[in-house]
Amino acid sequence: QVQLQESGPGLVKPSQTLSLTCSVSGGSISGGSYYWSWIRQPAGKGLEWIGRIYTSGSTSYKPSLKSRVTISLDTSKNQFSLRLSSVTAADTAVYYCARGMFGGSAEYYYYMDVWGKGTTVTVSS
Amino acid sequence: QSVLTQPPSASGTPGQRVTISCSGSSSNIGSNTVNWYQQLPGTAPKLLIYRNNQRPSGVPDRFSGSKSGTSASLAISGLQSEDEADYYCAAWDDSLNGYVFGTGTKVTVL
Repeated sequence: QVQLQESGPGLVKPSQTLSLTCSVSGGSISGGSYYWSWIRQPAGKGLEWIGRIYTSGSTSYKPSLKSRVTISLDTSKNQFSLRLSSVTAADTAVYYCARGMFGGSAEYYYYMDVWGKGTTVTVSS
Repeated sequence: QSVLTQPPSASGTPGQRVTISCSGSSSNIGSNTVNWYQQLPGTAPKLLIYRNNQRPSGVPDRFSGSKSGTSASLAISGLQSEDEADYYCAAWDDSLNGYVFGTGTKVTVL
C-alpha cells in the first residue's frame, strides 16, 4: 500500500524559498501512470491545488503560482519535491502531497487517491 | 477565490439524509468528472467519491455522488456522528489547465 510523507522546514523567512519533499513508500514513484501532486490549506481555509508532475517529468501548475513554483522528481530516492520562491505570509499553510490518477477520453478524470498527512509551513521573520 | 461553489454549511440529525451541492461551469464540471473529498477535523483530506459517482474501497454506500450539467451533488444518507467533517468537491478545469476545489461545506450532525 502506497504511503506518502511530507518533510521540510516548518519555518521559512519572507522572500526566501520554501522547499518540501514527499517520500513515497510501498511503491515506485516511476512505476505506473500517476501524477504526483502538491496541495495546500491555510489554517481555517479551503484546499488549493498547487501543481503536479507526471512520471515522465512533465508538470502543470496553478496559473497564479506558476511563476514561483517548481515541482521535481527524484526517482533514485523515490521522492518528489516542491519549491516555492519569494514566499510571503500568504504562503503559510499546511502542505500536502498526493498521488493522482487520471484518464478518460470524452470526459477527463483526475483525482487524488492517496494523501500524505501534511506538514505545516509558517512564513515569518 | 474558488471556481466551484458549495454551501458553507449543512446539517442533519442522525439517520437523516444530507445533500451538498457543487456548482461549476462548462470548463470544469461540464467537461470533466467530479470528485469529493472528506476532511475530518485535524486530518488530511480523504477521497470519498471519484469520477462523479464511484466509491473507493472502504467508503460506505451511504455516500453517493451525482452530476448533471455544470453541477454536482454529494448525498449522505443515514447520517452518522462520524460524518461530521468538511467536504470538498473538485474537478479539472480546462480553461485554467489546473485542478480546482470547491469552497467546502462543513457538515454538522445535530
